Amino acid sequence: EAQVTQNPRYLITVTGKKLTVTCSQNMNHEYMSWYRQDPGLGLRQIYYSMNVEVTDKGDVPEGYKVSRKEKRNFPLILESPSPNQTSLYFCASSLEGAETQYFGPGTRLLVL
Amino acid sequence: QKEVEQNSGPLSVPEGAIASLNCTYSDRGSQSFFWYRQYSGKSPELIMFIYSNGDKEDGRFTAQLNKASQYVSLLIRDSQPSDSATYLCAVQGGKLIFGQGTELSVKP
Repeated sequence: EAQVTQNPRYLITVTGKKLTVTCSQNMNHEYMSWYRQDPGLGLRQIYYSMNVEVTDKGDVPEGYKVSRKEKRNFPLILESPSPNQTSLYFCASSLEGAETQYFGPGTRLLVL
Repeated sequence: QKEVEQNSGPLSVPEGAIASLNCTYSDRGSQSFFWYRQYSGKSPELIMFIYSNGDKEDGRFTAQLNKASQYVSLLIRDSQPSDSATYLCAVQGGKLIFGQGTELSVKP
């Protein structure tokens, strides 16, 4: 089954404790991206990747890191999480560019 | 001015009515336009995309694009309670920008 998976789905952590949210797709898509969704603000792009080893900042990259060492994986790293990073995070992938994106199930993060 | 703006909700329509969702965008160079549906607690899923001025129909859904007015809309005919969700407009120019979403409630 073609899908985008994210782990964990739910995470409660404390300020400053490094964490990684994994994202994997099995559709051989070149384009992958991370979004956060907050009430009243919609989906905002954090980082995106056009291909392996090619990443770029989206609209709200501060406090986040990404890497794209393999085509199928695009982990999101929070080196020192803060409460303002409490949000719902979505990973997405598409064949190329940003068209027709397929979203993962989401990761709900709470930073205390 | 927001780059992509949707009409504020929630929008409530009776079952069987036409629901009209609107979206305006600021980048005149935008070329691709998308409508995603997001059920509560779920991830967004693509329901329509449109690239050219005019109407595009898919079942009960019609997307309308007017590039001169920088306006894209989604019409849902014969609305059903299962259409109750948040609808996200997304516009691609140099990058893909999402609107804040419009919550639709279809009352039986």
